Amino acid sequence: AQSVSQHNHHVILSEAASLELGCNYSYGGTVNLFWYVQYPGQHLQLLLKYFSGDPLVKGIKGFEAEFIKSKFSFNLRKPSVQWSDTAEYFCAVNRGRDDKIIFGKGTRLHILP
Amino acid sequence: GAGVSQSPSNKVTEKGKDVELRCDPISGHTALYWYRQSLGQGLEFLIYFQGNSAPDKSGLPSDRFSAERTGGSVSTLTIQRTQQEDSAVYLCASSSQGAGGPYEQYFGPGTRLTVT
Repeated sequence: AQSVSQHNHHVILSEAASLELGCNYSYGGTVNLFWYVQYPGQHLQLLLKYFSGDPLVKGIKGFEAEFIKSKFSFNLRKPSVQWSDTAEYFCAVNRGRDDKIIFGKGTRLHILP
Repeated sequence: GAGVSQSPSNKVTEKGKDVELRCDPISGHTALYWYRQSLGQGLEFLIYFQGNSAPDKSGLPSDRFSAERTGGSVSTLTIQRTQQEDSAVYLCASSSQGAGGPYEQYFGPGTRLTVT
């Protein structure tokens, strides 16, 4: 069955530290990949997505993610985090235009001021 | 604004009662999803409607759960004979579809269900 794994359940960093959150998926065919963020008390919102083309995707708020097909990975990165990045981050995948979107269990990121 | 709306925002019910949760997607969005969010479990996929196709019900945890989408718009998630383990936040999302895949999902505020 299709699944999404997020390795880090809870990450604590200081401001200005670099961030990398892991995401791996299990499906071997063509995939669409997403990262969503949920700030405290707010709705889930899209950070970035990959459909095709350049495997390095840039999103909002300085986030980026790299699709590495050989590793079935789509890790999220940010070179220098801010206190306002404190949130829960979810990786998601679907297999094509009309397939359902499956989410990982999320990573809670806490940035120390 | 014309975002995804869900009602009620909170629902407290007694074990064994039935509940109905409603989702109003963004007008024109052909895809509608239901997820369940509980602590430590992330977003658990429940059901997916896409246009006129048969819904993907593969995520429904038991036959006590059902959902319908009327007229390609409003959706209702029904949980029969609720159990305490059904307590969670139920999220609805909608999206439009492009040639290569779904566009951004827009999430509603969720319904927090508490079964006592």
